[in-house]
Amino acid sequence: GAVVSQHPSRVICKSGTSVKIECRSLDFQATTMFWYRQFPKQSLMLMATSNEGSKATYEQGVEKDKFLINHASLTLSTLTVTSAHPEDSSFYICSAAPPDFAGHYEQYFGPGTRLTVT
Amino acid sequence: GDSVTQMEGPVTLSEEAFLTINCTYTATGYPSLFWYVQYPGEGLQLLLKATKADDKGSNKGFEATYRKETTSFHLEKGSVQVSDSAVYFCALSDSGAGSYQLTFGKGTKLSVIP
Repeated sequence: GAVVSQHPSRVICKSGTSVKIECRSLDFQATTMFWYRQFPKQSLMLMATSNEGSKATYEQGVEKDKFLINHASLTLSTLTVTSAHPEDSSFYICSAAPPDFAGHYEQYFGPGTRLTVT
Repeated sequence: GDSVTQMEGPVTLSEEAFLTINCTYTATGYPSLFWYVQYPGEGLQLLLKATKADDKGSNKGFEATYRKETTSFHLEKGSVQVSDSAVYFCALSDSGAGSYQLTFGKGTKLSVIP
């Protein structure tokens, strides 16, 4: 089956620093990757959609200068949280989407990254 | 816009009990429907899916049928196990909306007790 990895699984950083989270599709090429944020006991909130080789599309209310997304290859997307603050602490989940034969994208999710900003 | 409404939890069941988690949706096009499961501390795993009306998705004893007339995709399992304890998310992907983004319900936490 399709496997998506995320690195790191957990990260603690100090307020004001930046942290990069990697999302990789291990056994398929992902033309589209998604980044989600999940607050405790809540659903996933889509932050942005990235297509390989083009700029990410951010959802309303998501600061693109704070959450930098790079989708440099068909198997790797990165999310960089710049100048992190405690309110950025959250569970960040990526997903990758290869098109199936019917044109319906099925998303495969990474295991998530727990970010704690102190 | 698209939306997914699923029953609020938490749901607590005894082992071997019957499970139903209701899910209804609104969509502008012809969506594909999904159930995802999230175990504690982990990301989401696809549990099952259905891409057109009357399709039944099934996996690991779970089933859900795509009902266009009632815009529903209820999740069922005949006999739950302690290992089924997790949060379950109903979701749709609407090609008619011009993209393949997933719209999630709020999730239903299931706890199965021995």
